[in-house]
Amino acid sequence: DAGVTQSPTHLIKTRGQHVTLRCSPISGHKSVSWYQQVLGQGPQFIFQYYEKEERGRGNFPDRFSARQFPNYSSELNVNALLLGDSALYLCASSLAGLRGGNQPQHFGDGTRLSIL
Amino acid sequence: GNSVTQMEGPVTLSEEAFLTINCTYTATGYPSLFWYVQYPGEGLQLLLKATKADDKGSNKGFEATYRKETTSFHLEKGSVQVSDSAVYFCALENNSKLTFGKGITLSVRP
Repeated sequence: DAGVTQSPTHLIKTRGQHVTLRCSPISGHKSVSWYQQVLGQGPQFIFQYYEKEERGRGNFPDRFSARQFPNYSSELNVNALLLGDSALYLCASSLAGLRGGNQPQHFGDGTRLSIL
Repeated sequence: GNSVTQMEGPVTLSEEAFLTINCTYTATGYPSLFWYVQYPGEGLQLLLKATKADDKGSNKGFEATYRKETTSFHLEKGSVQVSDSAVYFCALENNSKLTFGKGITLSVRP
């Protein structure tokens, strides 16, 4: 079975541009979460979507937005890119909604975004 | 709020040495606890989990016990291998949101 797939794997943008990152969850998983991992740090929670609705948002500015489609795939959008947005963006999927403990999150390999 | 604190790294060990990586947490309610591993250039892989106090998670020779009284979830392995070299993250989950520690790099020498 395919795992969580993310595209593109690498991306280079300049300051002020916008970017769209894509994620396909494991088949049957309805929950998708996005995380930002800056070099040398642990991942930071950005968004969670479940059944196409936003169920959680981390401490990120409004430049970050996301959505989930009827097939449960998801997009993360970032506008007005800053140098500090350079990071590995990870997508994770799970079966669970709000009570996830017994349904762990499975991660993709991420999109490495570099801002010049 | 929720937070996870991991011991400072990096850690370098010889093959077959004993491994302990410390992890403590602060959380509201009753979180689930996880260890994830990240190999170079890859995403995170779930190593083990524990969902309630006194549960022991185990996988591939690694173990960790959910200690509510000390708010800890230390990772241990009796005999490490070169292939265990990676970055290890401790994490807690509340309402399907994962909060991670900073991670620690483990290097195992042949």
